[in-house]
Amino acid sequence: AQSVAQPEDQVNVAEGNPLTVKCTYSVSGNPYLFWYVQYPNRGLQFLLKYITGDNLVKGSYGFEAEFNKSQTSFHLKKPSALVSDSALYFCAVRYRFSGNTPLVFGKGTRLSVIA
Amino acid sequence: DAGVTQSPTHLIKTRGQQVTLRCSPKSGHDTVSWYQQALGQGPQFIFQYYEEEERQRGNFPDRFSGHQFPNYSSELNVNALLLGDSALYLCASSFTGAASYEQYFGPGTRLTVT
Repeated sequence: AQSVAQPEDQVNVAEGNPLTVKCTYSVSGNPYLFWYVQYPNRGLQFLLKYITGDNLVKGSYGFEAEFNKSQTSFHLKKPSALVSDSALYFCAVRYRFSGNTPLVFGKGTRLSVIA
Repeated sequence: DAGVTQSPTHLIKTRGQQVTLRCSPKSGHDTVSWYQQALGQGPQFIFQYYEEEERQRGNFPDRFSGHQFPNYSSELNVNALLLGDSALYLCASSFTGAASYEQYFGPGTRLTVT
């Protein structure tokens, strides 16, 4: 069975500092991995995805994530946080060769960037 | 290019009533998936429609049903509403021909059951 763990319910970071939002996954075989962001009263917005190739994936709004197969992790990072990055972040996984199967989401991490 | 659209934005219903939520997929997409996001939780998969048929289903009771139309739009129906059905309902569309099957989400419908 596929699963995603986001070990932190809340991450607080000062504006201008680097941020990391953690995600670990469990899936049989090679995964497709995704990060989504959700602002209050909004749907999910796609940030980035890992499909294959370079382990460092760059996405929207200056975010990036590093795929680490040995640690089964896909942590979201940004070199310099902005107050506007404050939102709810979701990591999601899908088994690569399972077809158009549903995404399995973590429970989310609330990021708060303090000015 | 319009993204995924959902209607209505908000809805308030009473226990025992029935509700229908609507979704129009992103242009070029042929598959629609529905998710339920309860407060403080990640989205949970309800079901997926492709070629007007339910292809996959999550762990939701038969009170949850759906439909996909020839233009790929979709409806989610919930019968005999319970208080626990209060949630944000998200529609996601994707293209089956894309290798990663990346899903694009709509803004959601906030359902409140009183």
